[in-house]
Amino acid sequence: GQQLNQSPQSMFIQEGEDVSMNCTSSSIFNTWLWYKQDPGEGPVLLIALYKAGELTSNGRLTAQFGITRKDSFLNISASIPSDVGIYFCAGRRYNTDKLIFGTGTRLQVFP
Amino acid sequence: DAGVIQSPRHEVTEMGQEVTLRCKPISGHNSLFWYRQTMMRGLELLIYFNNNVPIDDSGMPEDRFSAKMPNASFSTLKIQPSEPRDSAVYFCASRRDRGRTGELFFGEGSRLTVL
Repeated sequence: GQQLNQSPQSMFIQEGEDVSMNCTSSSIFNTWLWYKQDPGEGPVLLIALYKAGELTSNGRLTAQFGITRKDSFLNISASIPSDVGIYFCAGRRYNTDKLIFGTGTRLQVFP
Repeated sequence: DAGVIQSPRHEVTEMGQEVTLRCKPISGHNSLFWYRQTMMRGLELLIYFNNNVPIDDSGMPEDRFSAKMPNASFSTLKIQPSEPRDSAVYFCASRRDRGRTGELFFGEGSRLTVL
């Protein structure tokens, strides 16, 4: 199935460090979303973005909707052990209901 | 409010057997999606319903897969006959339509292992 390209594929960082990950596509999206998945659970919505250039925060998380509409970024500041998990971007094109998911970024945080 | 409820959480079956996965969406949500997650292919949309009507089933792998939504509070995904390559985690998600801005809430998934 079609997927968005996410990078990096995995990250191993120390507690307290900041994290950046991104998601790119060859086509334009109207909505960008970021989800987090814990082991054995379903993805949980973190941040939703609806306008090109939009910058939205949720606690220590900040995400941006790229101006070209073909990418999005997620930053996590001052990481803590509970940030461990897989982060997925997801995009929706104009006038569709389908949500296409990225390949995921696996985050490990060491104390 | 209760979230999306899926059952069973885990199923182990033998090749050739029929598998039925069940989903109860969040009350008041009128769109329901079935996704499959594997290491190789990530999260793939199989089919989605709007107001109990199947809208797009282009992601359903083949005729062995079928999905129904007889009412607003229940959906099933059936695999018959099952094959080892069907082993995956199957997620159900629901959404309350608010124009195009309603977002997906996922269940905890059904982990299927076909031997």
